[in-house]
Amino acid sequence: ELKVEQNPLFLSMQEGKNYTIYCNYSTTSDRLYWYRQDPGKSLESLFVLLSNGAVKQEGRLMASLDTKARLSTLHITAAVHDLSATYFCAVDLGERQGAQKLVFGQGTRLTINP
Amino acid sequence: KAGVTQTPRYLIKTRGQQVTLSCSPISGHRSVSWYQQTPGQGLQFLFEYFSETQRNKGNFPGRFSGRQFSNSRSEMNVSTLELGDSALYLCASSLVGRIGETQYFGPGTRLLVL
Repeated sequence: ELKVEQNPLFLSMQEGKNYTIYCNYSTTSDRLYWYRQDPGKSLESLFVLLSNGAVKQEGRLMASLDTKARLSTLHITAAVHDLSATYFCAVDLGERQGAQKLVFGQGTRLTINP
Repeated sequence: KAGVTQTPRYLIKTRGQQVTLSCSPISGHRSVSWYQQTPGQGLQFLFEYFSETQRNKGNFPGRFSGRQFSNSRSEMNVSTLELGDSALYLCASSLVGRIGETQYFGPGTRLLVL
């Protein structure tokens, strides 16, 4: 059974600091997604990583994928309050020629304090 | 372009009843996936539909079922409700549900079972 584990589950940090959220998974996959969820809201897609070594950046967020280590990271640079949210990683278990089937991590609740 | 819509947004039912939730995907999207989100189990995949066919199914009992119509709208049904079915039910749509496509999530239906 695939396990997707995020670390840490809770993170409180100050504005201006850098930090990294880790996502480990237990099976071979080169398809990993990052989502953001604000309290009481739905999920917003952040990044789709589809190959070993893939790196994507948007603003203060950068995501990377190491399929050999079965590890993805979400790095936050110079955090600002607006980035406070819960971040989820998800691994796609779907068959290569078939349909998506996402397995999510537990989520990392990020709080950024002024 | 309108996003994914779900109705109703909130629902209260009692144990033993059944419930039907509706999801309208983004125009042009033909794949619809359903997820259950609870504080204890997190986000779990329920099923995925494409062209009125269920292509993938998660590990949920047979009380959970779904269908998709020719206009790509989807419904999910839960029969004989249990207290543990209280959750936020999210649907997501993508173009054809191919590996690597971004899934766009709706606002969710919050179900409370008393």
